[in-house]
Amino acid sequence: QKEVEQNSGPLSVPEGAIASLNCTYSDRGSQSFFWYRQYSGKSPELIMSIYSNGDKEDGRFTAQLNKASQYVSLLIRDSQPSDSATYLCAGVPHQAGTALIFGKGTTLSVSS
Amino acid sequence: ETGVTQTPRHLVMGMTNKKSLKCEQHLGHNAMYWYKQSAKKPLELMFVYSLEERVENNSVPSRFSPECPNSSHLFLHLHTLQPEDSALYLCASSQGSRVADTQYFGPGTRLTVL
Repeated sequence: QKEVEQNSGPLSVPEGAIASLNCTYSDRGSQSFFWYRQYSGKSPELIMSIYSNGDKEDGRFTAQLNKASQYVSLLIRDSQPSDSATYLCAGVPHQAGTALIFGKGTTLSVSS
Repeated sequence: ETGVTQTPRHLVMGMTNKKSLKCEQHLGHNAMYWYKQSAKKPLELMFVYSLEERVENNSVPSRFSPECPNSSHLFLHLHTLQPEDSALYLCASSQGSRVADTQYFGPGTRLTVL
C-alpha cells in the first residue's frame, strides 16, 4: 500500500514565525510531490510542486524534497493568521499515472 | 474559484435513492477527476477521465458510476449508497493527465446518506 504520512497536528505557531510542515512517503519510486492548502469548508488549492531533490522557493513558501530519506517538507516564513488552514501533501507513486496519493493533512494555526 | 463548478453543493439522500453529482470546468482542460474526502481520512482518488475516456478507476464500488460526455462535464451517478459513503465529493480538472499538470478543484458536494 503506497502511503503518504503527515502529522495531523494541530501545529500552532505565533504570527511572524516559521511554520514547518513535514510529510513522508512509502514509495521510493515516487517522483513528484505537491502541497495543497485547504481552508475549512473549501476545496484544496495548489501551493507548491516539487520534482527534484533540494529546495524550491516561492515567496514565503519553500518546499524541500529529500528522496533518499523519502520526506517532503513545506516551510512558511513570516506566518500570518491567513495561513491557518489544513495543508495536504500529495505524491505520485512510480508508474501510477496521474493518481495523486494524499496524506491526511496537517492543520496549521497561526495566532496573532 | 469559478474555474470548476459543482452542483449541488449539498445533498441528502436515502439509501434507496438515485442521484447525480455534476461537475463542469471552464478552463479548457482535457482531464477530469472525482475524489472522495471523508473525515479523518486522506483524499481518495475515485476516477480519472482524459479526453472523455476513463483512464483510472481505483476499485470504487459499482454503486458509484461516472460519466464524462465531453471534456467540460463530468457526472457521478449514485445508486443505493450506504451511510459510510457520506463525504465531500470533489471534482478536479487539469490541462492534461501528465503528472506535472496542476489539478484545480471545484468547491465540492457535501453528501449525506441517511
